[in-house]
Amino acid sequence: DAKTTQPTSMDCAEGRAANLPCNHSTISGNEYVYWYRQIHSQGPQYIIHGLKNNETNEMASLIITEDRKSSTLILPHATLRDTAVYYCIVRGMNSGYSTLTFGKGTMLLVSP
Amino acid sequence: EPEVTQTPSHQVTQMGQEVILRCVPISNHLYFYWYRQILGQKVEFLVSFYNNEISEKSEIFDDQFSVERPDGSNFTLKIRSTKLEDSAMYFCASSAGQGSYGYTFGSGTRLTVV
Repeated sequence: DAKTTQPTSMDCAEGRAANLPCNHSTISGNEYVYWYRQIHSQGPQYIIHGLKNNETNEMASLIITEDRKSSTLILPHATLRDTAVYYCIVRGMNSGYSTLTFGKGTMLLVSP
Repeated sequence: EPEVTQTPSHQVTQMGQEVILRCVPISNHLYFYWYRQILGQKVEFLVSFYNNEISEKSEIFDDQFSVERPDGSNFTLKIRSTKLEDSAMYFCASSAGQGSYGYTFGSGTRLTVV
């Protein structure tokens, strides 16, 4: 599966949009982009995933560039409870069971 | 919303003792996983389980570890002879399928080996 690069940390003011970037320049055609987050010491939480098109759900929006080499997770109105480590993971449609591989992610701090 | 349930939330054990960590995956999910996270480090894959057998395992999952689905609902991780370095958060997860399906994780068991 393709490797991803994320900033180590980001800050966001409460109520503002949080835009978390991810670079996955070696992504191949059958690989999905997944986003998970981990609030301190809790289990990772699935947020959203996409292949080519932009996706939106009740938690977030995922914007994937046309060349698919990067993506942005958008939390439209960040709250203090969105403070967490956010993981961008690339995973193929036919990947083995083990390839939900977590990197270091981006630590998002939402402040009042 | 369906949840993955893990028990206990915290377990303290002496080095060399056996521990069993328990998980109840989401009822209609078919794929089950164990991950661990040593304090301050990444979340690491241990093992996946499908159709009553291990599908994949990592290098971490050596002979001291075993998994079992003893009935239709529970999924367990056993560590036969715990070591200090087994101290970590252990997360169980389940998914409805492979490929584009997301994983649902439990809230974890904090294992402390003393």
